[in-house]
Amino acid sequence: ELKVEQNPLFLSMQEGKNYTIYCNYSTTSDRLYWYRQDPGKSLESLFVLLSNGAVKQEGRLMASLDTKARLSTLHITAAVHDLSATYFCAVAVSGGSNYKLTFGKGTLLTVNP
Amino acid sequence: DTAVSQTPKYLVTQMGNDKSIKCEQNLGHDTMYWYKQDSKKFLKIMFSYNNKELIINETVPNRFSPKSPDKAHLNLHINSLELGDSAVYFCASSQLGEMNTEAFFGQGTRLTVV
Repeated sequence: ELKVEQNPLFLSMQEGKNYTIYCNYSTTSDRLYWYRQDPGKSLESLFVLLSNGAVKQEGRLMASLDTKARLSTLHITAAVHDLSATYFCAVAVSGGSNYKLTFGKGTLLTVNP
Repeated sequence: DTAVSQTPKYLVTQMGNDKSIKCEQNLGHDTMYWYKQDSKKFLKIMFSYNNKELIINETVPNRFSPKSPDKAHLNLHINSLELGDSAVYFCASSQLGEMNTEAFFGQGTRLTVV
């Protein structure tokens, strides 16, 4: 069974600082996703990573994928308060109609002024 | 124009009751899902439907019965509600195949069983 582990689960950081969230998964996968969830809200897709070495950036967030190490990272640069949210990585296994996402437990990010 | 919409957004009901949650997507996707998010925010898939056919059923109690009348709709009916069913239920959709997309989520239905 696929296991997806995120760490840290809780992250409190000051504005302007940098930090990285890690996502490890246990079996081969061909795609990995990062989602953001604000309190009481839905999940918003941030990044779709489809191949080894993929790197995507949007504003202060950058995501990367190393399929050999089965590791994805979400790097936060110069954090601002608006980035406070819960971040999930999710891994999809295989193609075809059995497609499903297995989520990590989420990282609750709090950015303090 | 909401892509994946669920109703109701909030649902408070007593133990033993039967309730339904409706979901519709206007993205033209061929696959729809139900996910459950517990109090610790852990997300777990419950069901997946591809072109109205049940594909994934993740050891969910029989009291939960999904129904997909067409590709754009996936409803969830729950019988004999229990306290442990309290959670946020998310509907999602995606397109499989060569144009495999990420899953797009609805706004969630917060179910509280009292």
